[in-house]
Amino acid sequence: DQQVKQNSPSLSVQEGRISILNCDYTNSMFDYFLWYKKYPAEGPTFLISISSIKDKNEDGRFTVFLNKSAKHLSLHIVPSQPGDSAVYFCAARENNDMRFGAGTRLTVKP
Amino acid sequence: EAGVAQSPRYKIIEKRQSVAFWCNPISGHATLYWYQQILGQGPKLLIQFQNNGVVDDSQLPKDRFSAERLKGVDSTLKIQPAKLEDSAVYLCASSLGGPTKMAFFGQGTRLTVV
Repeated sequence: DQQVKQNSPSLSVQEGRISILNCDYTNSMFDYFLWYKKYPAEGPTFLISISSIKDKNEDGRFTVFLNKSAKHLSLHIVPSQPGDSAVYFCAARENNDMRFGAGTRLTVKP
Repeated sequence: EAGVAQSPRYKIIEKRQSVAFWCNPISGHATLYWYQQILGQGPKLLIQFQNNGVVDDSQLPKDRFSAERLKGVDSTLKIQPAKLEDSAVYLCASSLGGPTKMAFFGQGTRLTVV
């Protein structure tokens, strides 16, 4: 069952522009959402998270937006840098159960 | 702070053979996860431990997969016998526990079954 979906397998943006990665979920019991970043041959690393009681969380160039009514969250990266090129996974938690999307490969071109 | 350690990094076996993966979580992390990541997909939870007890193993194919976490620290994941479709990266992660605590991942073990 795919409770967390990332419908865009890839995204390409120009350096300095905004990157927007999207994620949809179906389980309304999820109460905490996370974004992980993964470089080749490495494990995913935590990037940013948001509780279901909030609609926005910002950390430097990274902002996560949550729309609970639409069961949708997005990650904004501004400005995008070539080092941001990686696979980004959206994850959602219900208690300690964490489910992942399939990932979006972001390429930031110089 | 040392991260999550996994070994081996790579393993190639023939179908019907058995294989074992090892994970050493971050010190003090009570929760340990094993995920299977098939190429092109997101990580799928296989089993979750809280200390040395199993919290969730609903997606673990118990006819061939087994896992243990003796003494609530290190963990091993075993596949016996392996099938071609088991080819994947096996990721171990640990966290302090609690719904707002993020999980830290190891580098993973890439298994190829031929």
